[in-house]
Amino acid sequence: DMKVTQMPRYLIKRMGENVLLECGQDMSHETMYWYRQDPGLGLQLIYISYDVDSNSEGDIPKGYRVSRKKREHFSLILDSAKTNQTSVYFCASSWDINNQAPLFGEGTRLSVL
Amino acid sequence: GEQVEQRPPHLSVREGDSAVITCTYTDPNSYYFFWYKQEPGASLQLLMKVFSSTEINEGQGFTVLLNKKDKRLSLNLTAAHPGDSAAYFCAVRDTEGADRLTFGKGTQLIIQP
Repeated sequence: DMKVTQMPRYLIKRMGENVLLECGQDMSHETMYWYRQDPGLGLQLIYISYDVDSNSEGDIPKGYRVSRKKREHFSLILDSAKTNQTSVYFCASSWDINNQAPLFGEGTRLSVL
Repeated sequence: GEQVEQRPPHLSVREGDSAVITCTYTDPNSYYFFWYKQEPGASLQLLMKVFSSTEINEGQGFTVLLNKKDKRLSLNLTAAHPGDSAAYFCAVRDTEGADRLTFGKGTQLIIQP
């Protein structure tokens, strides 16, 4: 069953704490994404990964970093989280965007207090 | 880079009526488009992917029209029913950034009984 799994689903952190959001897929997709979704802003691309250790900044990478050491796993890291990073974070993956639309995970709701 | 404008941000129609959501994009070379549906608190589900070679695509209860001359993509729901209440997002594949999607800001559609 094709699925993108995100952990945790809900997270509350204090400002200044480190945050780790995890994403996994079992379809051997090469390309993985991290987006954030805020009301009225749609989805904004944070980072895109084309394969292991092949990551590229998206439109809003500031304050975030990523790690992809295995093809099936893509992590989003917030070092010293800020209150304006409160958002819903979506991970997605695709094999080849010309043949397959990105498949999205269920999202992680992050609150930074 | 690509810019996508989606209208309207909010739309309310009565059950059985039609609803139209429109996206305009800026890159005349764009050739691959997506429509996603997002129910409250849920992930994004692919409704349809559209190649620029096909101007009309039909799904279950909806039609997607692509006007390449005007750089406009529209989602037309016919005979809306309560299950159509959701947020809808268009997305356009960037021609410059490999595998990147640029999303519209979304339309919140409410179907009134």
